Amino acid sequence: AQSVTQLGSHVSVSEGALVLLRCNYSSSVPPYLFWYVQYPNQGLQLLLKYTTGATLVKGINGFEAEFKKSETSFHLTKPSAHMSDAAEYFCAVRAGVSQGNLIFGKGTKLSVKP
Amino acid sequence: DSGVTQTPKHLITATGQRVTLRCSPRSGDLSVYWYQQSLDQGLQFLIQYYNGEERAKGNILERFSAQQFPDLHSELNLSSLELGDSALYFCASSDHLASTGELFFGEGSRLTVL
Repeated sequence: AQSVTQLGSHVSVSEGALVLLRCNYSSSVPPYLFWYVQYPNQGLQLLLKYTTGATLVKGINGFEAEFKKSETSFHLTKPSAHMSDAAEYFCAVRAGVSQGNLIFGKGTKLSVKP
Repeated sequence: DSGVTQTPKHLITATGQRVTLRCSPRSGDLSVYWYQQSLDQGLQFLIQYYNGEERAKGNILERFSAQQFPDLHSELNLSSLELGDSALYFCASSDHLASTGELFFGEGSRLTVL
């Protein structure tokens, strides 16, 4: 069965510092991987996704993630944090080859200090 | 704006009661997914419908049921409510049965059971 583990339920960085949010996955089939962001009192918005092809994926708001099969990881990074990046971030994996639903990690809340 | 509409946004009710949450997917999307988000369980997949038919089932309680209507809107019915059912319920939609793309999320319906 597919699963996702996000390391660290809370991450705090200073404005301008590197953001690194960790995600490891388990999948019995080639994984389709996603990062979503949830701002307070809002729904989830897609940041980026990996399906096939290039392993470095660029998303919105300056975020990117690298798919590393050997490490079963899909960590999210941003070179320079902005106050507006404060939110909760969810890593997800597609549930199966013929399924559209996603299995989500428990989320990482990102705080950005001025 | 994701294009997915959920009503009501907030709902307060008592234990033992029954409520119905409604979701209108993005125009043209045939798949609808329901998720429950709670502090202790995170984002849990409940059920998926595709063009009116149930396609995948997750951790949905027997007290809960859903359906998708011919106009593609969906309803999630929660009955015999318990305190532990208090959560944020999200609806998401996608354009395929097993899309490699993203799920588009509504802003959620916050249910409080007193």
